[in-house]
Amino acid sequence: GENVEQHPSTLSVQEGDSAVIKCTYSDSASNYFPWYKQELGKGPQLIIDIRSNVGEKKDQRIAVTLNKTAKHFSLHITETQPEDSAVYFCAATSGGSTLGRLYFGRGTQLTVWP
Amino acid sequence: NAGVTQTPKFQVLKTGQSMTLQCAQDMNHEYMSWYRQDPGMGLRLIHYSVGAGITDQGEVPNGYNVSRSTTEDFPLRLLSAAPSQTSVYFCASSSQGDGYTFGSGTRLTVV
Repeated sequence: GENVEQHPSTLSVQEGDSAVIKCTYSDSASNYFPWYKQELGKGPQLIIDIRSNVGEKKDQRIAVTLNKTAKHFSLHITETQPEDSAVYFCAATSGGSTLGRLYFGRGTQLTVWP
Repeated sequence: NAGVTQTPKFQVLKTGQSMTLQCAQDMNHEYMSWYRQDPGMGLRLIHYSVGAGITDQGEVPNGYNVSRSTTEDFPLRLLSAAPSQTSVYFCASSSQGDGYTFGSGTRLTVV
């Protein structure tokens, strides 16, 4: 099955700086890559996603890039704020016969210092 | 629109006891999944369903059963609880099998 690796496991940045979280995947058939934010005591919340026919997607301060050749994708957060502090998870799925199965990375604890 | 509702929020079981974690969604989503979350392990898929009457195993299915008799409900049953099943359990649903919406979780402790 798919194997998703996520780095770094912890990330500390100063408010206003940028944060980048990187993920790699193993299954070249994967075609959908969501990112989730999980605040303490809550369930993961989808913040942005990208499909394999797109190289980059932006939503205000958040962007995701995808390199299918290298099989990696990244989350970029600009102008970070203390409320961005949370655990972020990347995931991948290939659809087809495995449609409905999301494979997650192990998460990145992001801390934004005021 | 309540989204994905999980009950209970907290539960303590003794080893060997059985229980059912409830999950309901009111978005008419076809796809539903159960994940467990352990420190440093991310989210691991237990079972999932692509529609009423259809279920399949995920990465860590042992010790758990599911059924999907209606579109709205997807209960997870622990047959004989073990300390290794101490975890936080999340139910999620999706309309197309990709952008899942998660519930708020059930924190289970098995002693």
